[in-house]
This record gives sequence, C-alpha cells and structure tokens, in this order.
Amino acid sequence: EPEVTQTPSHQVTQMGQEVILRCVPISNHLYFYWYRQILGQKVEFLVSFYNNEISEKSEIFDDQFSVERPDGSNFTLKIRSTKLEDSAMYFCASSGTRNVNEQFFGPGTRLTVL
Amino acid sequence: SQKIEQNSEALNIQEGKTATLTCNYTNYSPAYLQWYRQDPGRGPVFLLLIRENEKEKRKERLKVTFDTTLKQSLFHITASQPADSATYLCAPGGGADGLTFGKGTHLIIQP
Repeated sequence: EPEVTQTPSHQVTQMGQEVILRCVPISNHLYFYWYRQILGQKVEFLVSFYNNEISEKSEIFDDQFSVERPDGSNFTLKIRSTKLEDSAMYFCASSGTRNVNEQFFGPGTRLTVL
Repeated sequence: SQKIEQNSEALNIQEGKTATLTCNYTNYSPAYLQWYRQDPGRGPVFLLLIRENEKEKRKERLKVTFDTTLKQSLFHITASQPADSATYLCAPGGGADGLTFGKGTHLIIQP
C-alpha cells in the first residue's frame, strides 16, 4: 500500500540553524500539507500546497518557514533560523483528487532544537 | 475563533463494550467532519468522514453521527478491543483545506 515517507526521523539542531525536513508524498497525490505537534499538544496545521504554490497557511507559518516541491516527488519544509519553540514532531500529509478529503500522514520528523 | 472540544481526560472502557467519544465545535459551519486515530509517536490515520447532510456513517465497528444543530459529532466503537486503544482526533472540515484538529480523546480499552 502506498505511503507517505519522511526523512530524517529525528533531527537535532542548534538554535539559529537552518533545517530542511523532507517528505515524499504518495505518488499520484496533488495536495500536500505540513503539520506540527508539540509534545503533549494537538496537531496543528502549518501549510497546504497545490499546483506548485501555497494554497493556505496558518498563523504559525511565518517568514521563517518555506515550502518547496523541488522535483516531481519531494516536498520540503525549511525553517530558516530555528528557535527552541520549533521543537516538535513535524508531519507531512498528502491527498489525491479521487478523495481529496482523506489525508495520508507520514510517520513524522522529530525536530529537537537545542 | 474556531474552537473544538473533545473529552480532555482519558476514557477507560472495558473490552467488548461500546466506546463513545464526543466532539463539540463552535464558530464553525463545516460541510464535513472527520475522525482520525493517532498512536503514540505516529501520524494521524484517517478513519471516517461524515457530510453535513448525513446523520450517521458506519464503517465496520465504527459509527459517526453529525448533528449540525448541536454542533456535535459522536464517534462510537462497538465491541471494543485493546487494539482500539489510541488517541482519537476530531477535525471539522474537509476538502483540500488544512485540518484543524481537536486535542483528541485518549481511549484505553481494558481487557
């Protein structure tokens, strides 16, 4: 069964450093999303992406964040200058045109900012 | 602002019984409401979606109701099993929009 994959599974970085989280969505999906979950808190929407542009973003997704689909398979989230409060689990998700409502989530990348 | 409330405390249910989870929302008029399951350290997994014109939706042992007047959805698991133990997330909305999740209800099915 096709699945969303994410790398790395765990990223440790120093405050102020740039990180890139990578995702490979399900191959025939066209809608892509990033969410984050701070430990013990709810899953929060960051951004959605369709047709090579951002279609929606939350208040969390400020100028420190950017997304890109550099090729036909990868979808990345970049955090330009990490802060301690960026420490969280980051989930990528994708959905297809046949059932756009059902979002398939990846296993997540745990980001730890020291 | 939009607000979603789910049972904030863990729900303990004996194996074989029906578990009922509640989701209340305010300042929304969603056309859909979705339920996801999340296991510790894992991403959410889609379970069911119900549309505003549907009162009830079933899938195997799962049943969801959607009352747009009360702004409430109930999620039932019948004949519950220990493997059903997880956190269940409610998310009013759908389409290609980003989802706003509730905090989730931690369900524990005791053998």
